[in-house]
Amino acid sequence: EVQLVQSGAEVKKPGDSVKISCRVSGYSFVDSYIHWVRQAPGKGPEWLGLVDPDDGEAIFADKIQGRVNITADTSIDTAYMHLSSLLSEDTAVYFCVRGKEQLSQLDHWGQGTRVSVSS
Amino acid sequence: EIVLTQSPGTLSLSPGDTATLSCRADQSVYNSFLAWYQQKPGQAPRLLVFGAYGRATGIPDRFTASGSGTDFTLTISRLEPEDFAVYYCQQFDTSPLTFGQGTRLEIK
Repeated sequence: EVQLVQSGAEVKKPGDSVKISCRVSGYSFVDSYIHWVRQAPGKGPEWLGLVDPDDGEAIFADKIQGRVNITADTSIDTAYMHLSSLLSEDTAVYFCVRGKEQLSQLDHWGQGTRVSVSS
Repeated sequence: EIVLTQSPGTLSLSPGDTATLSCRADQSVYNSFLAWYQQKPGQAPRLLVFGAYGRATGIPDRFTASGSGTDFTLTISRLEPEDFAVYYCQQFDTSPLTFGQGTRLEIK
């Protein structure tokens, strides 16, 4: 069974950084991409970026580029998303998601990590 | 980026009815590279159908996708109580991946 298990909820202040982990199991980590998607309260999902665990190449959405980094550690089948200079608008649930390609449907989702940013 | 607009915002129907959800793109989505997801409160979205013919594992054939170019439809026939949720479309033709704002399907 494919599973993506994320780290727990975070409470941060504006200007802080956050790092979320996503451990996968049930498939070969290097055979698919890990995408990161967030969803603000009451809004639709927003794609943030992806990593190819096979070579570590990452691609980011223009809106968030410069504040985000996505990495993968193949020794422990875990992907990470690091978001810096947090704003209140970054308050959202963050999901890691498996995608077969850089451009593809997203077939298995993590349970989500709630990040709250408030002074 | 491709902007997806879903309609209606809310759809009120009864179990046994047929739901028709629309997703319109502001530019053509080639090869029907569009997916539909279902989301229930407190849960992650779940992939339903994708592309011209794809259906995720365990998704019944009551869920069917159609359309091409800029206009796409998700049809859910013989609505069951567990189908009442929020539905999102997502295009994977062009980077960045983008999602619609959702249609809430509620019990009438």
